[in-house]
Amino acid sequence: LAKTTQPISMDSYEGQEVNITCSHNNIATNDYITWYQQFPSQGPRFIIQGYKTKVTNEVASLFIPADRKSSTLSLPRVSLSDTAVYYCLVGEVSGTYKYIFGTGTRLKVLA
Amino acid sequence: EAGVTQFPSHSVIEKGQTVTLRCDPISGHDNLYWYRRVMGKEIKFLLHFVKESKQDESGMPNNRFLAERTGGTYSTLKVQPAELEDSGVYFCASSQGQGMNTEAFFGQGTRLTVV
Repeated sequence: LAKTTQPISMDSYEGQEVNITCSHNNIATNDYITWYQQFPSQGPRFIIQGYKTKVTNEVASLFIPADRKSSTLSLPRVSLSDTAVYYCLVGEVSGTYKYIFGTGTRLKVLA
Repeated sequence: EAGVTQFPSHSVIEKGQTVTLRCDPISGHDNLYWYRRVMGKEIKFLLHFVKESKQDESGMPNNRFLAERTGGTYSTLKVQPAELEDSGVYFCASSQGQGMNTEAFFGQGTRLTVV
């Protein structure tokens, strides 16, 4: 099972770019890397997903090096509303959506 | 389009009682998942339905938990009898396809408190 390691918490200021790095040394060939965001009293919400190199959508960018043993979620110009817990998830080879949630990174955006 | 909905949002029951949680997935999503987070712990997978069939129930903690998805639409998760350690937030998610290259949509969760 691929296990992820990410910082427990981060602080940032409004307008800054935030980069959250996740380590997944045991990632398997068929595993995808997915990031979820969770606000208090809500369920996790999909942000972005990738397999290799770089993926960008309207919310974030995901950078994955060639060895895929880590990934970095980049949030451009964060606002107070981006304060949340961010989870880095790596899928199981079996293909079922059996996510393994780690502790996540608690991002706090300050004014 | 409605998202994944869960009912109730909160439930407080006494130890030994029975509680049934309900999840309505997004229409057309064959895959339905249950997760839970007990106090201070990480979100843990409980089980996975494909339509009405249990694909993987390896995360179910014990036989006090029973999940059903009759007709392949909504799902229920029954806890009988409830114990104090069952307190936590129970999340349901659904996805159109299987595999990690599809997006799972989570509900807001049901907060269960056993007293």
